[in-house]
Order: sequence, then structure tokens, then C-alpha cells
Amino acid sequence: GESVGLHLPTLSVQEGDNSIINCAYSNSASDYFIWYKQESGKGPQFIIDIRSNMDKRQGQRVTVLLNKTVKHLSLQIAATQPGDSAVYFCAENESNTGNQFYFGTGTSLTVIP
Amino acid sequence: NAGVMQNPRHLVRRRGQEARLRCSPMKGHSHVYWYRQLPEEGLKFMVYLQKENIIDESGMPKERFSAEFPKEGPSILRIQQVVRGDSAAYFCASSPGQGRGEQFFGPGTRLTVL
Repeated sequence: GESVGLHLPTLSVQEGDNSIINCAYSNSASDYFIWYKQESGKGPQFIIDIRSNMDKRQGQRVTVLLNKTVKHLSLQIAATQPGDSAVYFCAENESNTGNQFYFGTGTSLTVIP
Repeated sequence: NAGVMQNPRHLVRRRGQEARLRCSPMKGHSHVYWYRQLPEEGLKFMVYLQKENIIDESGMPKERFSAEFPKEGPSILRIQQVVRGDSAAYFCASSPGQGRGEQFFGPGTRLTVL
């Protein structure tokens, strides 16, 4: 599959600040994206998804932005809390290839109390 | 409603032995996916199965690895004659059916090959 990568492998933020995690993808045909959160010793947990017909989607304290022109998406976490400390993955899917997803390497987010 | 179950959570094997990893999808889910995660890396897609059918195994090594999802019982990922390079966390995910959408992940099986 096409490579999916993240700009920053680690990110440290103060509690209460906003966090921005970035992801670059290279498959221009990808049309569905998911952000996952993975805590130590656990499986990935769905955070938010976005389809390519949208450029922004908001959830509870999280916002995903998609820029198809430069093949980039970001995850914004508002008022970051210690419980947000985890590794965050973006995953991409191309509808023509089926249901499997391709994951980036991940960004480790550490929230400093 | 129980989530995706995987067992064992930890598995230790010596080189040359066989490893069997089990995955029970969420109730009502008929699609199962297996991923492998090496330390400090993302998840790599291995295989996508529906009941009794392998839909896509493009991510699975051609030798020693096999997967099944029988009509009854859990999905099984089988690794024969394990080597040290097989040491990784293996995650199973399930989804309800046709169409794309969220995949629900299990807690993973951490395989260590001595």
C-alpha cells in the first residue's frame, strides 16, 4: 500500500493546551481516513473519521482537518488532558482496494500536568 | 456487548514451534481483519476475512502464515515454524458488514519468539 506517515514522532504539551498531530499520505486515491488512539498495552481505539468529500469534521474536543491538495490531515485536540497521553495513528483507505486500512507510524503524545 | 476478544494476550514460543492466535469478533460482526505491529511502528495490514472466506490476504507473508474464519468459532491466525522476526503484537479488528467504517480492535496478542 501507499505510505502513510506522520511529521512528528513525539509531541509534548502542557495540560490544558491544544494539541495538533499531523499526518501526510501519499496515495491520492485514498478517500477515507480514521484517527486512532493507542494507549500502552491496548489496541487502537477509534477517535474520529473523515471522508474525502469533507475538509473538516468535529467531535468532542477533537477536530480532523483534511487537505486533499497537499495530501495532509491533522488531528486537533482541545484542552489536552493527561488521559490524552497515547500514540495517535492516522489510517487511510481507498475504496477501490476494499476494507483494509494502511496505518502511519504514529505520534506519541505526552501531556505534562 | 463484549468487544473484540483476543487470546492469548501473551504467547511465548521457541523458534520452529507453531503459534495460534485467536480472535472473537464483536457480536454481529462478520468481518475480521488481522494486523501486525512491530515495536515503535504502526499497524501493518495482513489479512481480511469474512465467514469462511478470505477476502484479501495481500499483506500476509506467503509462507508459514495462514488465517481462517470458520462458520463457527473464532478467527485463527496461525504461524508455523516461528522465527524471531515474527515477534510482534498481533491485533484483530472486526466490523459489522459491507461498506467501510470503523473497525473495532481487540487488545492484541503479544508474541515473543525465543
